[in-house]
Amino acid sequence: DVKVTQSSRYLVKRTGEKVFLECVQDMDHENMFWYRQDPGLGLRLIYFSYDVKMKEKGDIPEGYSVSREKKERFSLILESASTNQTSMYLCASRVLRGAMNTEAFFGQGTRLTVV
Amino acid sequence: GENVEQHPSTLSVQEGDSAVIKCTYSDSASNYFPWYKQELGKGPQLIIDIRSNVGEKKDQRIAVTLNKTAKHFSLHITETQPEDSAVYFCAASLRAGNMLTFGGGTRLMVKP
Repeated sequence: DVKVTQSSRYLVKRTGEKVFLECVQDMDHENMFWYRQDPGLGLRLIYFSYDVKMKEKGDIPEGYSVSREKKERFSLILESASTNQTSMYLCASRVLRGAMNTEAFFGQGTRLTVV
Repeated sequence: GENVEQHPSTLSVQEGDSAVIKCTYSDSASNYFPWYKQELGKGPQLIIDIRSNVGEKKDQRIAVTLNKTAKHFSLHITETQPEDSAVYFCAASLRAGNMLTFGGGTRLMVKP
């Protein structure tokens, strides 16, 4: 079974702190994603990565950056946390199979509270 | 870019009844439409998907229908059970694209 593991289930950080959310997948997937989940808004894409050191902005990248130094690891960075970044963060991965869409596998989520 | 709208946002049914969740999408080039189920405290998990060359797909009590002309697709759950209670998300993806655009989610509650 594919496993996508997020380093923390719950985090509480102070405004202005630099925050790192880590995600590791064990199936050698090329594509990895960070989504933010808020009630009524569904899942909104923050950043995604096609391969090591490759990254693309999603729909809501402001205030975030990412790092992918190794294929299995994709990190989301909040440069200076703000209260409006309090949310559930979900990491996902997908295998790249030519032009065919494939299943996305999600981690269990990190609930971040910024105080 | 793609925009996906999902209705209703909450749905309450009696055990044994059917549940229907509907989604519309904006980009006619989208060709992949998965449905994800998110149980409490867990990440979303794929339950069924449909591609644009198919109008309907079934898997036991779950079915998905796709109307490409009208740009909408629906999830049908028959004989609902309490364990079907969860948040359901629809999504759409462009041909050869790697991004999924999700709907706003539907909280389904099945009353015993």
